Amino acid sequence: AQTVTQSQPEMSVQEAETVTLSCTYDTSESNYYLFWYKQPPSRQMILVIRQEAYKQQNATENRFSVNFQKAAKSFSLKISDSQLGDTAMYFCAFTQETSGSRLTFGEGTQLTVNP
Amino acid sequence: NAGVMQNPRHLVRRRGQEARLRCSPMKGHSHVYWYRQLPEEGLKFMVYLQKENIIDESGMPKERFSAEFPKEGPSILRIQQVVRGDSAAYFCASSQGYRQYEQYFGPGTRLTVT
Repeated sequence: AQTVTQSQPEMSVQEAETVTLSCTYDTSESNYYLFWYKQPPSRQMILVIRQEAYKQQNATENRFSVNFQKAAKSFSLKISDSQLGDTAMYFCAFTQETSGSRLTFGEGTQLTVNP
Repeated sequence: NAGVMQNPRHLVRRRGQEARLRCSPMKGHSHVYWYRQLPEEGLKFMVYLQKENIIDESGMPKERFSAEFPKEGPSILRIQQVVRGDSAAYFCASSQGYRQYEQYFGPGTRLTVT
């Protein structure tokens, strides 16, 4: 069974600085998809960024970018120029074709951006 | 374009009662997923449905839980004879179709069992 591990339960960063959240996963498949979701205090799940395993180029969405290391099965999220609104729980998630599209989530990292 | 809609947002039930949670997917989406988030935990997959079909229910508890996605109307997650351990946030997500891997989530329903 595939697993997703987020080893940092909590992190904090000063406003305008850069922070990296780590995620590792385990799978025997070669084609899969990775996501980062954000859950602010409102508890709404918001898709931040996605990465297809067959793409070598790291995905980027504005201030959010990933470092995808396929051989190491690592998928970290970098947030640049952190803003107070980035304060949230961040979940790494994984899916593959053989799992029928269901997402497997990590346990989450609570990020606090301090003024 | 309305997002995924869930209602109610908050639901309080006494032990032994039934809970019905509703989910309307995004316009144009025909696949629905239900996830449960226990306090201080990540989301756990429960069930995956298409219109009138259950595709994968491997995450559903064997008893008391059922789900449907009829031809017309929202998807329903039904919990019979609720117990305190059912207290959680239940999220619905939708996607466009098979092998469309981006899932968009609703705001969740927070179920409290007293």
